[in-house]
Amino acid sequence: QKEVEQDPGPLSVPEGAIVSLNCTYSNSAFQYFMWYRQYSRKGPELLMYTYSSGNKEDGRFTAQVDKSSKYISLFIRDSQPSDSATYLCAMTSTSGSARQLTFGSGTQLTVLP
Amino acid sequence: EPEVTQTPSHQVTQMGQEVILRCVPISNHLYFYWYRQILGQKVEFLVSFYNNEISEKSEIFDDQFSVERPDGSNFTLKIRSTKLEDSAMYFCASSEDWRELYEQYFGPGTRLTVT
Repeated sequence: QKEVEQDPGPLSVPEGAIVSLNCTYSNSAFQYFMWYRQYSRKGPELLMYTYSSGNKEDGRFTAQVDKSSKYISLFIRDSQPSDSATYLCAMTSTSGSARQLTFGSGTQLTVLP
Repeated sequence: EPEVTQTPSHQVTQMGQEVILRCVPISNHLYFYWYRQILGQKVEFLVSFYNNEISEKSEIFDDQFSVERPDGSNFTLKIRSTKLEDSAMYFCASSEDWRELYEQYFGPGTRLTVT
């Protein structure tokens, strides 16, 4: 079983739609959960992070973590064409001296005007 | 806004040659990382570096790889003898301190092509 699984898409939605992006994971030691946005041939850009279970909201973005189900989500409200990118989930544990991030494969999102 | 920078943006090299990829992390950050992304695949952790030492490394980071902080601003990844399978996008990242190691900021990447 892969450590982190993410539906690769592609996902295409009309402008203004609510987008739901999801990842599942198998390693129960993961405690920090991040969402990155990556435009074509660019580096991942940190959108938001969540510690343990719960919700976190930042503008149009909401991150949810359900540790009991080992399932995380990113919701994008009122999606815009500029949101078109690949969205990567990443996670890490709290053990060890540094935090190596384990990434999902990314979901390619296109928001149509 | 401070950002991680990387040079060159694209490096083409022949198999067996040595390459050095360069990164300038965000100036007040203390932890540094290299990741790679083979085309169409996941971003993979290579190595983390703190206080002039490797903190963690993955199985990918074998004896052909080395990292160095040669001065107060640069952080480099050296591949001693490149292989075709080293062709990938290499990302440098940095984080501020031990309380925020999960908050890693990535550079734009160096595309390495081994021919």
